[in-house]
Amino acid sequence: DAGITQSPRYKITETGRQVTLMCHQTWSHSYMFWYRQDLGHGLRLIYYSAAADITDKGEVPDGYVVSRSKTENFPLTLESATRSQTSVYFCASSDHGQFSYEQYFGPGTRLTVT
Amino acid sequence: GDSVTQMEGPVTLSEEAFLTINCTYTATGYPSLFWYVQYPGEGLQLLLKATKADDKGSNKGFEATYRKETTSFHLEKGSVQVSDSAVYFCALSDRNYGGSQGNLIFGKGTKLSVKP
Repeated sequence: DAGITQSPRYKITETGRQVTLMCHQTWSHSYMFWYRQDLGHGLRLIYYSAAADITDKGEVPDGYVVSRSKTENFPLTLESATRSQTSVYFCASSDHGQFSYEQYFGPGTRLTVT
Repeated sequence: GDSVTQMEGPVTLSEEAFLTINCTYTATGYPSLFWYVQYPGEGLQLLLKATKADDKGSNKGFEATYRKETTSFHLEKGSVQVSDSAVYFCALSDRNYGGSQGNLIFGKGTKLSVKP
């Protein structure tokens, strides 16, 4: 399917476990982003990537790791999950062509850390 | 740094009422401005955008005008429907040069509920 997909859609994990959220886009967009959405905070940028093998921190990167070995994939790993990382996570992509910075969002992953 | 402020919700309206959701921004340079909509259980979708001062973005009956003099981008719709119930996010793009160019900065969102 064309577009941007995230997996899993729902995940329950225990404190201290490692968990990886997957993001895949079929547009060959150069930029990809990870956000978390929490009540009262709106969307906060965790990490972003301008191209394969280029990543940078956003507003709230602590406790997260990203990689981007292929243009189409941008996995987000919580190395040792904590309850404060319970959230809805959104992946997005953008091609940044001609100053068009609109981003296209995936459906989200709802993560619960117990 | 750049920021977006939008009116706190929730906003509850009756069907066919007029909608305004206020959004103001602080930015250096000349950002592009966006409204995104999030329906329950879904990701964000671009609703409309404006890339320069005095531009009007419009889509699905919604409109917003990029007002540089008041640093605002208020969302309006003349007659809301129950199906417009969602959370609306105002956002701006960082157009400063550097690694963060193009990153979006979001407001905290305004929840709209439309009653029949």
